[in-house]
Order: sequence, then structure tokens, then C-alpha cells
Amino acid sequence: QKEVEQNSGPLSVPEGAIASLNCTYSDRGSQSFFWYRQYSGKSPELIMFIYSNGDKEDGRFTAQLNKASQYVSLLIRDSQPSDSATYLCAVRSAAGNKLTFGGGTRVLVKP
Amino acid sequence: GAVVSQHPSRVICKSGTSVKIECRSLDFQATTMFWYRQFPKQSLMLMATSNEGSKATYEQGVEKDKFLINHASLTLSTLTVTSAHPEDSSFYICSARDRAGASGEKLFFGSGTQLSVL
Repeated sequence: QKEVEQNSGPLSVPEGAIASLNCTYSDRGSQSFFWYRQYSGKSPELIMFIYSNGDKEDGRFTAQLNKASQYVSLLIRDSQPSDSATYLCAVRSAAGNKLTFGGGTRVLVKP
Repeated sequence: GAVVSQHPSRVICKSGTSVKIECRSLDFQATTMFWYRQFPKQSLMLMATSNEGSKATYEQGVEKDKFLINHASLTLSTLTVTSAHPEDSSFYICSARDRAGASGEKLFFGSGTQLSVL
């Protein structure tokens, strides 16, 4: 079992719709959770981070964390073509100093 | 946010040569930097954790004699791919965490280096 799992996609959404991305993790001791966006040929850029159960909103993005079920999700509202990218979920355990990344979900927003 | 500078952005080299990649934290001190490798359509795989003033910690399966890491100062870490071969062709990305700043646990990435070995 991979430590951090994501559906590879592509997730195709029409412009203006909500894109919903999911991520599950295996280490129950994980404490910090991050969503990165990566355009082709570029390095990842941080979108959201969340530490506590529940929802966290930042602009069009909402991260949701459920530690009991070991999943974290990202919602992108009013999706734009510029949101087309690969979204990486990353998890840091309490014991470790490093981030473990999921395989990424490719999102395609169609005009 | 904190800025991490990585150079060069692209390298094309002949098989058997060595390539050095630099990673600098421009506006903060990074006692720890991380080196990742990413093959096409795959996720980031951690290669090693670079600690200032001490030896790097390598992930399982990563050859420390092939991927030399030096972290001589609080703002600079280098990765040298020795005797590069075509299978080393990949996107190499460094990252650092600004522990002292307001960014908390967030990890900032360099712009990446695309290595192509002919």
C-alpha cells in the first residue's frame, strides 16, 4: 500500500464547476497535510495546508481533513482553465521531517 | 513567501560527466533542505535530506556515492550527479523549510532542474 494515494485522473470538469480531489494516507500519526499545484515542467507551488479536522477555506479552494478516516480532500470552486494542472497531496508525519507525496491528480478544466 | 533559488534550470550533458545543481534559500536560513526527483508523469520522490554541517540522509535505494550532497552553509545545498547516465535523466527539485519564519511548516520549492543525459 502506498503511503499517500490519489486518483491519477484526469479529472475533467467544465469551467465554472467544482473540482473535487481526494487523497488518502496510511500513517495514522500524520499531522500536517498539504496541497500543491504543479504545472507541466514546473516545480510545485503550495495551495493549501491543513492541520486540524474540518474545513479550511482560502479563496476558491477548500481543504477538508478527516483524520479518523485518514483522508484529505481539496475542492476547487468556479474552476477556471488556468486551474488545469496536476494537484499533489503531501503528508508529514509527527515523527518525520519529510513530506511524502501522492502520485498526483491531473485536472482538466474545459472552457 | 520564502524564496528558494535553484540553478541551472536545464542541463544537457554527455553520459559519464558530472553535473552540479545548486539550491539557495534567498531570504531565510534553511538548516534542512530536501532533494526530490520526478520522472515524467510521476510524483516527487524524496532522494535525500540535506542537513547543514552534517552528512545527508539518503532514502532507500538512492546511491549516496552517485548523488553527492553538500550543505556547507545555512543558505546553500548542492547536489552533484556523478558519472551521469541516460537513466538519470529526470526533473530534480530542491526544497527548504523556513522554520524561523512565519511560514511555519510550509515547504518552499526551487524552480527545478531538468537533466537530460545523452
